[in-house]
Amino acid sequence: AIRLTQSPSSFPASTGDRLNITCRASQGISSYLAWYQQKPGEAPKLLIYAASTLQSGVPPRFSGSGSGTDFTLTISCLQSDDFATYYCQQYYSYPYTFGQGTKLEIK
Amino acid sequence: EVQLLESGGGLVQPGGSLRLSCAASGFTFSSNAMSWVRQAPGKGLEWVSGIRDSGGSTYYADSVKGRFTISRDNSKNTLDLQMNSLGVEDTAVYYCAKGTCSSGSCPWDVWGQGTTVTVSS
Repeated sequence: AIRLTQSPSSFPASTGDRLNITCRASQGISSYLAWYQQKPGEAPKLLIYAASTLQSGVPPRFSGSGSGTDFTLTISCLQSDDFATYYCQQYYSYPYTFGQGTKLEIK
Repeated sequence: EVQLLESGGGLVQPGGSLRLSCAASGFTFSSNAMSWVRQAPGKGLEWVSGIRDSGGSTYYADSVKGRFTISRDNSKNTLDLQMNSLGVEDTAVYYCAKGTCSSGSCPWDVWGQGTTVTVSS
């Protein structure tokens, strides 16, 4: 199975900060990578797919980049609504896998 | 409105069985691959099983292969997950998720609210 390693695992941040979350795949996955946001008690929400395509309705402060094995989710100006846990996920090959998650905490 | 509604969760003893269902509405169900994703208490997300639009191809995580069976009824717009030989490690919230394509090689753009499965004696 393809392993996805996210960093950092948690990050104290403040509103207005610019933040990068990285996701490294154990083998090449082209651009078959998605990013999800999950808040406590809620289902995950798709933010980015195909590594860099913004899902409809997602604010443009979210962006994604990368291909192959190294990917980045960038939040350009953190808002209070963005404090949540973020997961990367590969859909290049079965079994599909997720990163372990990055929890954004209020500094 | 596109909606997924899971049901069937509950408390079951180790070794027992449970059948989860997901009722889909607001989209052409037969055109989309579907998956089940679970989340153990306090843990991350784990993909469990997937099925393509026609139901002709199914896929499983190694952790559930041979114990779980995914199926769909495109005439009723429902997705099911039959879970047998349940262990405490299967305790989780189970989400039904809609793929953005027919084959399955795509992300999930709509998720249900989840149904909780607790395996305990």
